[in-house]
Amino acid sequence: DTAVSQTPKYLVTQMGNDKSIKCEQNLGHDTMYWYKQDSKKFLKIMFSYNNKELIINETVPNRFSPKSPDKAHLNLHINSLELGDSAVYFCASSRLSSYNEQFFGPGTRLTVL
Amino acid sequence: GQQVMQIPQYQHVQEGEDFTTYCNSSTTLSNIQWYKQRPGGHPVFLIQLVKSGEVKKQKRLTFQFGEAKKNSSLHITATQTTDVGTYFCAGPGPHNNDMRFGAGTRLTVKP
Repeated sequence: DTAVSQTPKYLVTQMGNDKSIKCEQNLGHDTMYWYKQDSKKFLKIMFSYNNKELIINETVPNRFSPKSPDKAHLNLHINSLELGDSAVYFCASSRLSSYNEQFFGPGTRLTVL
Repeated sequence: GQQVMQIPQYQHVQEGEDFTTYCNSSTTLSNIQWYKQRPGGHPVFLIQLVKSGEVKKQKRLTFQFGEAKKNSSLHITATQTTDVGTYFCAGPGPHNNDMRFGAGTRLTVKP
């Protein structure tokens, strides 16, 4: 049983396209996150949701739009993809407390050509 | 928000040597977490430190939280090839349920 799952695992697309990445967690957690990890391995928070409510919205281009249909799902839609969007995107979840560990999904490697 | 600085960025060791990565903050941290990411993998939680001066051990890994709660370290004794990966510390950010990751230390181990 995968705790945090993401689809797809790999995504190769052309500049200008629109794409979505899906994330689901079966841990019963209230908080979900999206992180971007660049080629230098830096993990940058993008968004977080608590019970479907947007909590963290870092300086991310508005081409990126998260959507949380329920607290077990947090999807990421990206419009008009650019070369600089190429990265690994990780979804994560945690219980509702700063003292709780985050559980990461396997990542989605996005390559924009 | 709070930011944790992590050094070194890279560390290459011979198998059997020790390894230490350091995490520093300019402000007091309520807690600090450590994660490990294997090559091609995802970050996996290792441990959390909460108390001033806390020391926790996991087999060959020793985690410390400074007395002032502004720094932390992860020390691996007698590294093995299975220790290869990037080690991240994470400290609280400005929002609830918000942890901000350091830049990570990438460890390579030569057999």
